[in-house]
Amino acid sequence: DVKVTQSSRYLVKRTGEKVFLECVQDMDHENMFWYRQDPGLGLRLIYFSYDVKMKEKGDIPEGYSVSREKKERFSLILESASTNQTSMYLCASSTGALGGVPLHFGNGTRLTVT
Amino acid sequence: AQKITQTQPGMFVQEKEAVTLDCTYDTSDPSYGLFWYKQPSSGEMIFLIYQGSYDQQNATEGRYSLNFQKARKSANLVISASQLGDSAMYFCAMRGENRDDKIIFGKGTRLHILP
Repeated sequence: DVKVTQSSRYLVKRTGEKVFLECVQDMDHENMFWYRQDPGLGLRLIYFSYDVKMKEKGDIPEGYSVSREKKERFSLILESASTNQTSMYLCASSTGALGGVPLHFGNGTRLTVT
Repeated sequence: AQKITQTQPGMFVQEKEAVTLDCTYDTSDPSYGLFWYKQPSSGEMIFLIYQGSYDQQNATEGRYSLNFQKARKSANLVISASQLGDSAMYFCAMRGENRDDKIIFGKGTRLHILP
């Protein structure tokens, strides 16, 4: 079974801190994604990567960056956390094949910025 | 630009009734895929069903079926004989035809099944 592991379930950080959210998958998936989930807004794509060292902006990349140095690990970085980045962050992975290949999600990291 | 619209923020349905959750989409890609996910209160995202834009038949998976109307750009999820355990948030999602295409989600519909 595919496992996508997010390093923290809950995280509390102060405004201005640099924050790292880590995501690791164990199924050799090519594609990895970071979403944030907010009530009434659904899941919004922040960044995704379809290969090591490759990254593509999603719909809301401002204030975030990502790193994919190894295939299994995709990190989301908040360079200077702000209160409007308080949210649930979901990491997901999938194979690079097209068609009905579903995303496999981690359990999420609930980040609070105070 | 691609877009997914789910117009029902919340729905209340009596147990054992059938449920239709609406999803419309917009894309200029000739080939694309549509997904439905379920998110129970535990927070996990569960993949339910997939429909390819060139699939001739509507997808079915157990009690779930996808009512795909390509000309109308709609991909509604139908749950037959609803159960209390179907109470959850439901998301419609879409991806394009290219390997580096992003996967976007709608805002979701919260379904409540009443006993």
